[in-house]
Amino acid sequence: QKEVEQDPGPLSVPEGAIVSLNCTYSNSAFQYFMWYRQYSRKGPELLMYTYSSGNKEDGRFTAQVDKSSKYISLFIRDSQPSDSATYLCAMGHSGYSTLTFGKGTMLLVSP
Amino acid sequence: ETGVTQSPTHLIKTRGQQVTLRCSSQSGHNTVSWYQQALGQGPQFIFQYYREEENGRGNFPPRFSGLQFPNYSSELNVNALELDDSALYLCATGRDRATGELFFGEGSRLTVL
Repeated sequence: QKEVEQDPGPLSVPEGAIVSLNCTYSNSAFQYFMWYRQYSRKGPELLMYTYSSGNKEDGRFTAQVDKSSKYISLFIRDSQPSDSATYLCAMGHSGYSTLTFGKGTMLLVSP
Repeated sequence: ETGVTQSPTHLIKTRGQQVTLRCSSQSGHNTVSWYQQALGQGPQFIFQYYREEENGRGNFPPRFSGLQFPNYSSELNVNALELDDSALYLCATGRDRATGELFFGEGSRLTVL
C-alpha cells in the first residue's frame, strides 16, 4: 500500500460545478497537509496548507483534513476552465519539511 | 511566481553522462529540496539542504548528490545517467525546515537517451 493514494482521474466537470478532490493516507504521523496545483509542464503551485485536522477556506477553495479517517479533501466552488490542471496532495511530519505526494488528479473544466 | 528559478529548463543527455542542475532560492528561504517527478507521477523527494548541509535524503542512490551555497542557491548533480533518470527535476525552497510549506520552481526537464 502506497503511503498516499490519489485517484489520477481525469475528472471532467462543466464550468460552475463544485469539484471534490480527495486523498487517503496510511501514515498516522503526518501532521501537515497541502494541495498543489500543477499546470502542464510547469512546477507545482502551493494552493492550501493546513496543520492537523479541520477546515481551511481561501476564496473558492476549501481544504478539509480528517485525521481519524486519514482522509483529506479539496473543494473548488464555481469551477472555471482555468482550474483545469493536475492537483497534487502532499503531506509531511511536524519538524521536517520533507513532503510525500500523491500521484495527482487531472481536472478538466469545460466551458 | 514563486521567486525560485531553475536552469536549464530542458536538456538532453546520453546514458552514462553527468548533469548539473541549478536552483536560485527565494529571498528569505534557507532550506532547499530537490524532487524528481516522472511522467504521470507525483514528485519524489531526493534530498534537502539546510545551511549548506544535507538534512535528509530519500531513496535515491549516491550518484545523486547536491550542494547548497552560502547565498542559499543549490545544485543537483547526477552521475552515470540512466534512462530512468528522465524526469522533471524540481527545486523547492522554504522559510522553515520544520514545516512543509515549500515553494517550487518550474523545473528542469531531463531526457536521457
